[in-house]
Amino acid sequence: DAGVIQSPRHEVTEMGQEVTLRCKPISGHDYLFWYRQTMMRGLELLIYFNNNVPIDDSGMPEDRFSAKMPNASFSTLKIQPSEPRDSAVYFCASSLLQGAGEQFFGPGTRLTVL
Amino acid sequence: TQLLEQSPQFLSIQEGENLTVYCNSSSVFSSLQWYRQEPGEGPVLLVTVVTGGEVKKLKRLTFQFGDARKDSSLHITAAQPGDTGLYLCAGDSNSGYALNFGKGTSLLVTP
Repeated sequence: DAGVIQSPRHEVTEMGQEVTLRCKPISGHDYLFWYRQTMMRGLELLIYFNNNVPIDDSGMPEDRFSAKMPNASFSTLKIQPSEPRDSAVYFCASSLLQGAGEQFFGPGTRLTVL
Repeated sequence: TQLLEQSPQFLSIQEGENLTVYCNSSSVFSSLQWYRQEPGEGPVLLVTVVTGGEVKKLKRLTFQFGDARKDSSLHITAAQPGDTGLYLCAGDSNSGYALNFGKGTSLLVTP
């Protein structure tokens, strides 16, 4: 398996623009996680899905953020409108199990909002 | 959310030195994971500890889970430049929530 795939790897946009990040989890993994990583706040869980259903979105910063998982092999994280404080590295991860199950991370998308 | 405090935040040492990094919480975890993240990549799992007092070894890395399952340590013997990276601990509270990650210890090993 190719592992978790994320696109794009880098995104530079201007404030107010819509940004869409994409993730393909490892085939057969039932759980998908979206994280945001910054120096100040570390790795923060934004939302996670089980069998394509959002389970916990309490980490989503505000209404400008939304995530979808239309099928088992694809998820998106959308920011609309984007703001400079959204600049961070966004990771997608998938796992077979919740909790003690190993999470497999993608390479991340580095987002810069000017 | 159960907080995981990692210390030190940054550590710079020379090749061949030993080091220990810590992961502490006031909460009890059913298991705890350690990940290493290299620049430009996502974290990769190193080990999972489950039993209080458990010790696991991975070559020069020794992981210990506290007896009360509230804390953990990672000891590296004779550090090498390839050990450079961000070491993250993550706890599972077994309450139906996802893993809680600490902010990590950034380790730099210079030749």
